[in-house]
Amino acid sequence: GAGVSQSPRYKVAKRGQDVALRCDPISGHVSLFWYQQALGQGPEFLTYFQNEAQLDKSGLPSDRFFAERPEGSVSTLKIQRTQQEDSAVYLCASSLAPNSPLHFGNGTRLTVT
Amino acid sequence: QKEVEQNSGPLSVPEGAIASLNCTYSDRVSQSFFWYRQYSGKSPELIMSIYSNGDKEDGRFTAQLNKASQYVSLLIRDSQPSDSATYLCAVDRSSGTYKYIFGTGTRLKVLA
Repeated sequence: GAGVSQSPRYKVAKRGQDVALRCDPISGHVSLFWYQQALGQGPEFLTYFQNEAQLDKSGLPSDRFFAERPEGSVSTLKIQRTQQEDSAVYLCASSLAPNSPLHFGNGTRLTVT
Repeated sequence: QKEVEQNSGPLSVPEGAIASLNCTYSDRVSQSFFWYRQYSGKSPELIMSIYSNGDKEDGRFTAQLNKASQYVSLLIRDSQPSDSATYLCAVDRSSGTYKYIFGTGTRLKVLA
């Protein structure tokens, strides 16, 4: 596709539910990042993939957060047993290679009630 | 100390003026620096990338990098109301594994 595609755009979950957020990066982009952005803050790093390898997951807030990119293309960020503090915009970004600029998707706004 | 620091603003400038946005970073080995613009409710979009010391110009935008001072800035000439947005500074951190760290952003208001 022409850009990074994320789905769903909006997700409302009841506390305790599991959610799965999808990211389809730009074709050919090796690097894929997930960020979390709270209102009025900059994006906070969650995790990084190079192809199918998850090279850095140091930003994942807890073991309820899990990300995968099994075939080196589409990625899924899963949040188990959602909590209110998980409410945020989740941004996916891809880049052609390390050092290349990030291209962001439109994000998924998660609201946990 | 935060890894990437920006003044949150808002920075208000009159239409037609030069807006100057600043960013400092803590990792001395950072090599890649980016400025993103983010409109309210939208995702960040890339404005400029800079990798070497000095100035880089693209249209009304100029990025300036000083690695010795660990400082990167963005100048917007002839500011327009449509430039009103939050500007995010991003810096690579390659100690450990590769990632980009963002500042909290500076909110710019261009007054018509």
